[in-house]
Amino acid sequence: LAKTTQPVSMDSYEGQEVNITCSHNNIATNDYITWYQQFPSQGPRFIIQGYKTKVTNEVASLFIPADRKSSTLSLPRVSLSDTAVYYCLVGDTSNFGNEKLTFGTGTRLTIIP
Amino acid sequence: DADVTQTPRNRITKTGKRIMLECSQTKGHDRMYWYRQDPGLGLRLIYYSFDVKDINKGEISDGYSVSRQAQAKFSLSLESAIPNQTALYFCATSDRLAGDASSTDTQYFGPGTRLTVL
Repeated sequence: LAKTTQPVSMDSYEGQEVNITCSHNNIATNDYITWYQQFPSQGPRFIIQGYKTKVTNEVASLFIPADRKSSTLSLPRVSLSDTAVYYCLVGDTSNFGNEKLTFGTGTRLTIIP
Repeated sequence: DADVTQTPRNRITKTGKRIMLECSQTKGHDRMYWYRQDPGLGLRLIYYSFDVKDINKGEISDGYSVSRQAQAKFSLSLESAIPNQTALYFCATSDRLAGDASSTDTQYFGPGTRLTVL
């Protein structure tokens, strides 16, 4: 399972676009990249998932370069409610799924009014 | 996610007691997981189950056991609780399709159970 590295914390002002980058140098061919959001005392919530290039949904965008050794979660025009911990995960879903998923410590994003 | 429920939400117990944490889901998913989270840390996998007959240990299974009573129910037991098992426990389900090597995997988490062992 590819190990991921993320910044421990980030601060941003309301209304700004926030980009959180995750490094996964040992990503394997079958690995997908998934991002989760967690608020205090709540379970993580799926945000977005991708394999390559760009994925966009109603919440965020995920940018993955051609070598797939990193990925960037982009949150447009953040608000105070986006203050949370964001986890980047890489897991092989080709055979057994993410059964040994490792969440790590994530990136603690604080939005400033 | 209201489709995944956990009981109790909070529990205080004493060292040596046996306790059970319960998880139920209405999502119809085959796969279920138990994680624990310690303050300031990420989640660590305790056990996971791909269906009612398939149960597997995660990275920190010592001191825990599980029971998959039905597709919708997955219970976690602490046979003899100890203080370092004080943590936040999460149950999750996965929408990955059995036997489908091409499907991706999204996990849906319950609200968590805060367990304190004195």
